Amino acid sequence: ETGVTQTPRHLVMGMTNKKSLKCEQHLGHNAMYWYKQSAKKPLELMFVYSLEERVENNSVPSRFSPECPNSSHLFLHLHTLQPEDSALYLCASSQQRAYTDTQYFGPGTRLTVL
Amino acid sequence: GQQVMQIPQYQHVQEGEDFTTYCNSSTTLSNIQWYKQRPGGHPVFLIQLVKSGEVKKQKRLTFQFGETKKNSSLHVTATQTTDVGTYFCAGLGSGAGSYQLTFGKGTKLSVIP
Repeated sequence: ETGVTQTPRHLVMGMTNKKSLKCEQHLGHNAMYWYKQSAKKPLELMFVYSLEERVENNSVPSRFSPECPNSSHLFLHLHTLQPEDSALYLCASSQQRAYTDTQYFGPGTRLTVL
Repeated sequence: GQQVMQIPQYQHVQEGEDFTTYCNSSTTLSNIQWYKQRPGGHPVFLIQLVKSGEVKKQKRLTFQFGETKKNSSLHVTATQTTDVGTYFCAGLGSGAGSYQLTFGKGTKLSVIP
């Protein structure tokens, strides 16, 4: 159903670990996004890349570091996370420049920080 | 900043009953999008509304964009168990410096067979 894949699907990490989340879109889109979805909270936009250039960084703590090496791939590097960072991390892409049209979401990575 | 409020947060209906969720923005929107997230799944795009007063239908789902472009609704007729999930609205700000998609908290729909 979706042309956006995310790995891993589940991740458990300690607060001192370093890990990376990967997103790949097979739709030929130009914009990619990272969202955080916590229980009882709206979807929180974290980062936006348009044509591989970061256009949005919504006051996200520096322990989250995005990387967009090309228009098909997006990474979220994690280090020294806190238990409150446990959430579902969703990647999305859209065809044109950021926000202007439909967002296609990946299945998400369920992150648990111990 | 732009805020999008969505009500109700939860809705339990008997199968066959109708269901409506409402979305209100603190600012005028360029467009509004609706998404559905099934339990354990990810948000899936349903529709986008752009014009003031626009109404669109998808089978049993009716979407409406308010005349002021600050509110929207999704109405489901004769709910079925397959309608279960969380429905999100997402508003795109229209003013300078507010070009951002803001999601509502969603309405979680339960359908009792």
